[in-house]
Amino acid sequence: AQRVTQPEKLLSVFKGAPVELKCNYSYSGSPELFWYVQYSRQRLQLLLRHISRESIKGFTADLNKGETSFHLKKPFAQEEDSAMYYCALFSGGSNYKLTFGKGTLLTVNP
Amino acid sequence: DAGVTQSPTHLIKTRGQQVTLRCSPISGHKSVSWYQQVLGQGPQFIFQYYEKEERGRGNFPDRFSARQFPNYSSELNVNALLLGDSALYLCASSPSGGAADTQYFGPGTRLTVL
Repeated sequence: AQRVTQPEKLLSVFKGAPVELKCNYSYSGSPELFWYVQYSRQRLQLLLRHISRESIKGFTADLNKGETSFHLKKPFAQEEDSAMYYCALFSGGSNYKLTFGKGTLLTVNP
Repeated sequence: DAGVTQSPTHLIKTRGQQVTLRCSPISGHKSVSWYQQVLGQGPQFIFQYYEKEERGRGNFPDRFSARQFPNYSSELNVNALLLGDSALYLCASSPSGGAADTQYFGPGTRLTVL
């Protein structure tokens, strides 16, 4: 069975500091991984996906198959980055599903 | 486009009752997925529908069912409600529901079971 683990429930950093949100996964196939974000009073929305290898709002995430990780990083955090972040894994085949982790609440202090 | 819409916004039911939640996808999107989000947890996948066919099912009891209509809107039904069914129910739409798709989420329906 597939699983997504986000070990930190809460993460607090100061503005301008680097930030890393951890995500580990368990999946027998080739993973398709995503980061979703929910800002205060807004809908859950896609931040980035590993298949497009893009950088959004300064965030990047690299898939490490050896460590089964997909950590989200940003070199200099901004106050507007404060939000709930969810890592998610997509599986297709005979049962399409998107499995989310429990989320990490990031707070960027001034 | 208003994005994905869900109705009702809030709902209060008592144990044993049945509930129907509704979702309208973004125009042009043919896939709808349903998620349950309990307070403090991430969204948990319930169903995915594409072109009116069920294409994915999560680990939920048979009390949960869904369907998709020809206009691609969808309903989630929950029978014999339990206190533990209290949660935010999210709907998401995408063009095809595949790995390359972005899922666009609605605002959710808050269900309280008393």
